[in-house]
Amino acid sequence: AQSVTQLGSHVSVSEGALVLLRCNYSSSVPPYLFWYVQYPNQGLQLLLKYTSAATLVKGINDFEAEFKKSETSFHLTKPSAHMSDAAEYFCAVSAGFQKLVFGTGTRLLVSP
Amino acid sequence: NAGVMQNPRHLVRRRGQEARLRCSPMKGHSHVYWYRQLPEEGLKFMVYLQKENIIDESGMPKERFSAEFPKEGPSILRIQQVVRGDSAAYFCASSPAGTSGRPYEQYFGPGTRLTVT
Repeated sequence: AQSVTQLGSHVSVSEGALVLLRCNYSSSVPPYLFWYVQYPNQGLQLLLKYTSAATLVKGINDFEAEFKKSETSFHLTKPSAHMSDAAEYFCAVSAGFQKLVFGTGTRLLVSP
Repeated sequence: NAGVMQNPRHLVRRRGQEARLRCSPMKGHSHVYWYRQLPEEGLKFMVYLQKENIIDESGMPKERFSAEFPKEGPSILRIQQVVRGDSAAYFCASSPAGTSGRPYEQYFGPGTRLTVT
């Protein structure tokens, strides 16, 4: 069975600082991995996805993630945080052909 | 292009009543998924449907919950005899039909927030 673990339920950064949100996965087959962002009282928006092509994946709003098989990780980064990045971020792995298995989420707080 | 639409956005039901949640997928999408998000938790898969077929319902509670995606009209998630533990946000997602064997990204609706009093 597939699963993901997100380390840190809350991450706080200052505006302009590096953002690093951690995600480790477990999968018995080559995984497909996703990062989604959720703003308050809204649905989820896809930031980026890994589907076995390039290991460094670039997404929207300057986010990127690197797939590291040896570490079973898919951490999300952004070089410089913006106030508008404050939201909840979810890592997910595909289980079976289409079902997504989500982590418990990391709330990103950005201070001025 | 309209995204995934869900209604109602907020739904209040008393214990024992029925809740009906509707989801209209994006235009051209024939796959629908329902997820539930309990407070302070991630999303949990409930069911995956294609038109007139339930493909995977491994996340659905065995009792009181049902889902359908008819040939015409929106997908419906139905919860009978609601209890307080059903209070949650229910999200619908859709994706196009895939032919390559790879999972297509899922586009999420804004959710229906169900409160059971």
